[in-house]
Amino acid sequence: AQSVTQPDIHITVSEGASLELRCNYSYGATPYLFWYVQSPGQGLQLLLKYFSGDTLVQGIKGFEAEFKRSQSSFNLRKPSVHWSDAAEYFCAVGAIGYGGSQGNLIFGKGTKLSVKP
Amino acid sequence: NAGVTQTPKFQVLKTGQSMTLQCAQDMNHEYMSWYRQDPGMGLRLIHYSVGAGITDQGEVPNGYNVSRSTTEDFPLRLLSAAPSQTSVYFCASSPGTGSYGYTFGSGTRLTVV
Repeated sequence: AQSVTQPDIHITVSEGASLELRCNYSYGATPYLFWYVQSPGQGLQLLLKYFSGDTLVQGIKGFEAEFKRSQSSFNLRKPSVHWSDAAEYFCAVGAIGYGGSQGNLIFGKGTKLSVKP
Repeated sequence: NAGVTQTPKFQVLKTGQSMTLQCAQDMNHEYMSWYRQDPGMGLRLIHYSVGAGITDQGEVPNGYNVSRSTTEDFPLRLLSAAPSQTSVYFCASSPGTGSYGYTFGSGTRLTVV
């Protein structure tokens, strides 16, 4: 069965430091991969997505992610974190065939990012 | 362009009561879905629809009903509320399946007492 693992429940980084959030997936074919961000009390906003082509994808707010097929990973990175990046981040995989239909997303359990001044 | 609109934003129910969470989108998206979010559990799919008149179950459908009579609306019905249904509910829509990604509503926080 398809699954998404975000190994880190909570990460704290200093403002201005670099950030990497890990995501590993289990899937039988090339997946569609997404990163979403959720600010407190808000819905989820799409940061970036990968479905083919260049394995390094750029997103909004200065984020990027790299798809590594050999490691089944899709880690999210940012070179310099801002205090406004404090939020919860969710990795998701597009699960073709899940529930009998294409396109349902399976989400990881999320990584909460705290930013120290 | 309002995107995905969910109402109400907050709701408290007594055990056994029924209610409908509303979801509407104005982007002419074919695909809509409902997720629940619980601490430490991520988002779990309740029901989804690939177009008007077509719905199917997700991972955690028990205790919930849906219908899709129009492209715009996808209400979620709680038949007889239970404390285990205390959660934050998100509606999402997409132009299609696969690589599009979803647009999410801002959520409904439901407490069942």
